[in-house]
This record gives sequence, C-alpha cells and structure tokens, in this order.
Amino acid sequence: AQSVTQPDIHITVSEGASLELRCNYSYGATPYLFWYVQSPGQGLQLLLKYFSGDTLVQGIKGFEAEFKRSQSSFNLRKPSVHWSDAAEYFCAVGAGNTPLVFGKGTRLSVIA
Amino acid sequence: GAVVSQHPSWVICKSGTSVKIECRSLDFQATTMFWYRQFPKQSLMLMATSNEGSKATYEQGVEKDKFLINHASLTLSTLTVTSAHPEDSSFYICSARDLRGSSDTQYFGPGTRLTVL
Repeated sequence: AQSVTQPDIHITVSEGASLELRCNYSYGATPYLFWYVQSPGQGLQLLLKYFSGDTLVQGIKGFEAEFKRSQSSFNLRKPSVHWSDAAEYFCAVGAGNTPLVFGKGTRLSVIA
Repeated sequence: GAVVSQHPSWVICKSGTSVKIECRSLDFQATTMFWYRQFPKQSLMLMATSNEGSKATYEQGVEKDKFLINHASLTLSTLTVTSAHPEDSSFYICSARDLRGSSDTQYFGPGTRLTVL
C-alpha cells in the first residue's frame, strides 16, 4: 500500500537557521514525489516535485529536496529560514492518474 | 505554474440547505480534478476523483448522494453538498491535474470554508 510518513509533527527553528523536513514513502513503483506548503486558511502551493533524473531538485522560495531511493526518502531543505516560511508542509507521492497520497504534515514555526 | 480557483472562498448556510462549490482550472484544461476535505490541523482527505464527461469516483466512506460532483467541462468541476448539516462544516479543497508537456502535477485551489449552522 502507498503511504507517506512525515515523522515530525511540529518543528521550531530560528530565523536564519537551516531547515530539514523529513519524508519517507512506501510505493510499489517509481513514484512521483511532491512537497506542498499551506498557509493557514489557504490552499496548497507546490514547492517542488521529482519525477526522474537529477535526484536533487530545486523549488521555489529557496527550497530543495533530495530523492534517495535506497532510503525511500524525499527530505525538504532550506539553508536559511525566513519568518514567512512558517506554515504547514505536506509531502505527497503519486504516479500517473492516481490520486496523491499525503503525509500528515509538518508544522513549521519560526522564531526570531 | 498553473492556476486553480475556487468559489466561493467561504460560505455559511443553514442546516438542510445545499451548497455548490466550483473549482476551475484557469490556464489549462484538466480532465481530472480531485476533491479533498481537510479538518483543522489535519492532512487532506481525498473525497473523490472527478473525471470530465464521466461519473466521479468516490473514496470509501464518502456518500455520493450527499456530495454530488459534476465535471461538465475541461475547466470546471463542481461539488454540491446536499442537505448540509453541521458535521459537514469543513475546509474543502480541489485540485486539478495538469498534463501539459512532461508535467503531471496537481495544482490546488485556495479552498472553501463551509460552515453549516
């Protein structure tokens, strides 16, 4: 069965510090992998996606993620967090015309 | 990127009435759209897959007679909550599947907050 695990429910980082949000997946075939961000009361915005090729993908807002097949992981990183990055982050996996499977999300808080 | 809109962004209705929510892909055609429901501080729960020109596919436990989905065109899907009750109050989000070029990505609308009194 397809599943996505985001082990961290809530993470707090200081502004300017680096960030890594973890995502592990279980999928029978080669997955498409996504990271979305959601601000309170808003829809989801696509940060980045991985389909194939280079395993390090760059996204918007300075985010990047690395696909590691051996670890079934797709962790999201940012070298320097800004206060505006505070939001809920969702990792998702899917392929073709199948609906995405989402993780439970990680809430990011940023402190001064 | 691709833009998906939802209307209305929020709605308050009385118990027993029906509410229609629209999901539009503004700059691309979407043969497939998805409807999700999200409870506070929780992840998205897939309700149904909406396919243009055919019946929607509902997830287990979702009442198809209560949540009517119509995907009459390549840019519009609607979700109608019939005979709404307070337990239907939630945040409803749609997404549209963008297949242009080599992309196969879901883009999400801004969501609709439904409150049933």
